[in-house]
Amino acid sequence: DSGVTQTPKHLITATGQRVTLRCSPRSGDLSVYWYQQSLDQGLQFLIQYYNGEERAKGNILERFSAQQFPDLHSELNLSSLELGDSALYFCASSVASGGITGELFFGEGSRLTVL
Amino acid sequence: AQSVTQLDSQVPVFEEAPVELRCNYSSSVSVYLFWYVQYPNQGLQLLLKYLSGSTLVKGINGFEAEFNKSQTSFHLRKPSVHISDTAEYFCAVSAAGGTSYGKLTFGQGTILTVHP
Repeated sequence: DSGVTQTPKHLITATGQRVTLRCSPRSGDLSVYWYQQSLDQGLQFLIQYYNGEERAKGNILERFSAQQFPDLHSELNLSSLELGDSALYFCASSVASGGITGELFFGEGSRLTVL
Repeated sequence: AQSVTQLDSQVPVFEEAPVELRCNYSSSVSVYLFWYVQYPNQGLQLLLKYLSGSTLVKGINGFEAEFNKSQTSFHLRKPSVHISDTAEYFCAVSAAGGTSYGKLTFGQGTILTVHP
């Protein structure tokens, strides 16, 4: 158990819909990262938050947005869903912010299926 | 920007045999290197990391990796594998220091299957 909690574990929805994925980081970790894992793109970095502020952006679509709340949990919002958005979405957390020297702790992921 | 190439998508091996999973990277700046393992229906778990210092790093479960800067490689090795090592292994890189912010670039993964 990494200590990172993601909900829901599985989600099935239709094209055009909007979903919210939730992540609770390990106790004491200030940074939260979102990654997308799909068969064709592999593991892709989406976005990072540190103590409530956005710190880095990767290959995140404009239809996707995220935020980190004062209690440090994070939500990834996916809207106007397309079939290609079907993937496993991972949240990870770490203590540090910039200049990584440590370990990312990954949750078990939220599997999104868009029909 | 960084990129990672894992040279083998699948590696079958018999139990108690040695194994090497190959990883090459590309970067214009100094890097940190990582190997993660993903067991079925689970998240990623860190096996080992290279940040600086000794180029031979040891990780959990008997794995080790060697950083070779001239060949831009970070191959993962284990002298004797077990059935329980069956999983997918990911090599990852991030820019060292500066504004890397923990942004990892992952390879496509290598599925290690250990046969009895």
